[in-house]
Amino acid sequence: DAKTTQPPSMDCAEGRAANLPCNHSTISGNEYVYWYRQIHSQGPQYIIHGLKNNETNEMASLIITEDRKSSTLILPHATLRDTAVYYCIVRGPANQAGTALIFGKGTTLSVSS
Amino acid sequence: GAGVSQSPRYKVTKRGQDVTLRCDPISSHATLYWYQQALGQGPEFLTYFNYEAQPDKSGLPSDRFSAERPEGSISTLTIQRTEQRDSAMYRCASSRTMGNEQFFGPGTRLTVL
Repeated sequence: DAKTTQPPSMDCAEGRAANLPCNHSTISGNEYVYWYRQIHSQGPQYIIHGLKNNETNEMASLIITEDRKSSTLILPHATLRDTAVYYCIVRGPANQAGTALIFGKGTTLSVSS
Repeated sequence: GAGVSQSPRYKVTKRGQDVTLRCDPISSHATLYWYQQALGQGPEFLTYFNYEAQPDKSGLPSDRFSAERPEGSISTLTIQRTEQRDSAMYRCASSRTMGNEQFFGPGTRLTVL
């Protein structure tokens, strides 16, 4: 079962920041938080991941709370093409068995003009 | 190759027939994953390979499902005696090594009549 909880849906106006929350209260100390998204019928696409520090790349920023029990994915300037299902996934380190991604239901983000 | 490719993209078969799906990962990627995705759901892990070894096949739903990666590159997923409940999108992903970000293919849409 997925170890994360996300709201089923969110709306965002084009050009505004989209803040997608995720709860992972049972996360272990060596587990990472990953975010993937799936646009329509395409395969999932990696966005970003982090352990305990905030991370930023060209796609998004990831803010992880100090107790690591929750995180927020931030798309700073959402566009219509960001409309997708966003999955927050908790995953063990590479040297552990079970490196598969356990997807939950995700958050459907709808960006409108 | 430039990305993960899968074939066929669509497969329609009759109940009871065997089907074989193919995945061609990104060249030099050591790890390959198979997922099953039902309509409206997130992908569910089936099995994975590290080179030709198959450390985890715990997600395979029954012994009708099997996967191979004999030379550590191309992989096949075979479903014997297909049933209607096997209808789903089957997605393959590869990563440079275990724990790295996974790159997903376009999937094979299987329909069992």
